[in-house]
Amino acid sequence: EVQLVESGGALVQPGGSLSLACEVFGFTLRNHYMGWLRQAPGKGLEWVASISPDGGDKYYVGSAKGRFTISRDTAKNSLYLRLNSLNADDTGIYYCARGYLCAFDHWGQGTRVIVSS
Amino acid sequence: EIVMTQSPLSLPVIPGEPASISCRSSQSLLHSDGTNCLTWYVQKPGQSPQVLIYLGSNRAPGVPDRFSASGSGTDFTLKISRVEAEDVGIYYCMQALQTPNTFGQGTRLEIK
Repeated sequence: EVQLVESGGALVQPGGSLSLACEVFGFTLRNHYMGWLRQAPGKGLEWVASISPDGGDKYYVGSAKGRFTISRDTAKNSLYLRLNSLNADDTGIYYCARGYLCAFDHWGQGTRVIVSS
Repeated sequence: EIVMTQSPLSLPVIPGEPASISCRSSQSLLHSDGTNCLTWYVQKPGQSPQVLIYLGSNRAPGVPDRFSASGSGTDFTLKISRVEAEDVGIYYCMQALQTPNTFGQGTRLEIK
């Protein structure tokens, strides 16, 4: 059974940093694009970053470029998102998701990030 | 960036009645292989989003056949033939033809 389990969300001060992790089960990261998406409180869905199956290509939404880093460890079946220079607009639930056929076909339950002083 | 525009944003429906949601993209989502890189998701209250429709018109496994979708290029439609109470949620279209992948604003379906 495919499962994705995020962790690492927390309350962090503006300007701070955080690392999110997503452990996956039931499939191998080498066979799929993987993504991070987020949802601000009461708002819609926003794609944040993706990484290619071989890990060689990484893509970011404009507001994340230079601040966020997506990575993975295939030995640990885990996807990561490092968030630096956080601001209030980064507050929300962060989901990891598996890419398949131009879609994200499996999502985790999400991990909550709150940026506030 | 490809802009996705959904309508309506709010959709009150009587159970048993049909419903329809439109999604338009600012650029064609037709891939060189002939498929449309357009996905429909639903986010039910308190849950993570889940896929309803892949590649513009293909139902995901386990999705009831009262859900159907059509369209190509820049105009897409999701239809529910007979709405049930369990269909309450926010429906999103998303394009993954280009990065940044982008979503429509979401359509909130509620039961009248």
